[in-house]
Amino acid sequence: EIVLTQSPGTLSLSPGDRVTLSCRASHTIGNTYLAWYQQKPGQAPRLLIYGASTRATGIPDRFTGSGSGTDFSLTISSLEPEDFAVYYCQQYYNSPRTFGQGTNVEI
Amino acid sequence: EVQLVESGGGLVQPGGSLRLSCVASGLTLSLYEMNWVRQAPGKGLEWVSYISSDGSGIYYADSVRGRFTISRDDAKNSLYLQANSLRVEDTAIYYCATNARLDFWGRGTLVTVSS
Repeated sequence: EIVLTQSPGTLSLSPGDRVTLSCRASHTIGNTYLAWYQQKPGQAPRLLIYGASTRATGIPDRFTGSGSGTDFSLTISSLEPEDFAVYYCQQYYNSPRTFGQGTNVEI
Repeated sequence: EVQLVESGGGLVQPGGSLRLSCVASGLTLSLYEMNWVRQAPGKGLEWVSYISSDGSGIYYADSVRGRFTISRDDAKNSLYLQANSLRVEDTAIYYCATNARLDFWGRGTLVTVSS
C-alpha cells in the first residue's frame, strides 16, 4: 500500500498569500497518477489537479500541481476567500487507492 | 449537467446490512470506471471500492473486503454497494465518484452504524 503523507496539517493564512502544500508518497507513483482535491465543509470533494499537474475543467490557473516519483506539491499563487478549505492528495496508480490525511488551509 | 445521486443510507445496527445506490444522469455510466469513497464524521477521505467500466476489474480496501460488494447496472445507469456485517467504524458519508481520478462526485449518503 502506498502511504501518502501531507504537510503541514494546518496552515493559517490570509487572502493574497501564496501557499505550497506537500504530499510525499512511501513508494514511487508511476506515470504521475496523483490527484489533488479541495473539500469545503458540508460539500463533496472537488477534483483540482490530476496527473500531478493537469488542472481539471474549470479550475483557475492560480492552482498549480507539480512533482513526480514520491514528492508532489500543490501551489495556490494568491489565496482567494473561497480557497480556504481542506486539500487532499490521492494516488490512483495502484490498489488500494489511498488519500493523504489532508491539509486544512484556514484564515 | 452531470449528476450523481447516492441513496440507501440510514441507521443500522452492528452486524446489519445496507444497499447503497448511485444513479447517474447527464452521462452514460457504462463508459466510466466507478468508485465508492467514504468519510467518517470529522475525518479524512477513505477509498472503499472500484469497478472498471466493463465490470471485469473490481478492487476493495482491506477494511471492507469480504463484507462489501460493488456492482453496476448500466441499463439503469446505476452503481451499487452492498454493505454487510456492518461495524460501528463503517459509519460515514459514502460518495460515488467517476474514473480513477475521481473527477465527478455525488453529494453522498450517510450511513450510521449504532446500537
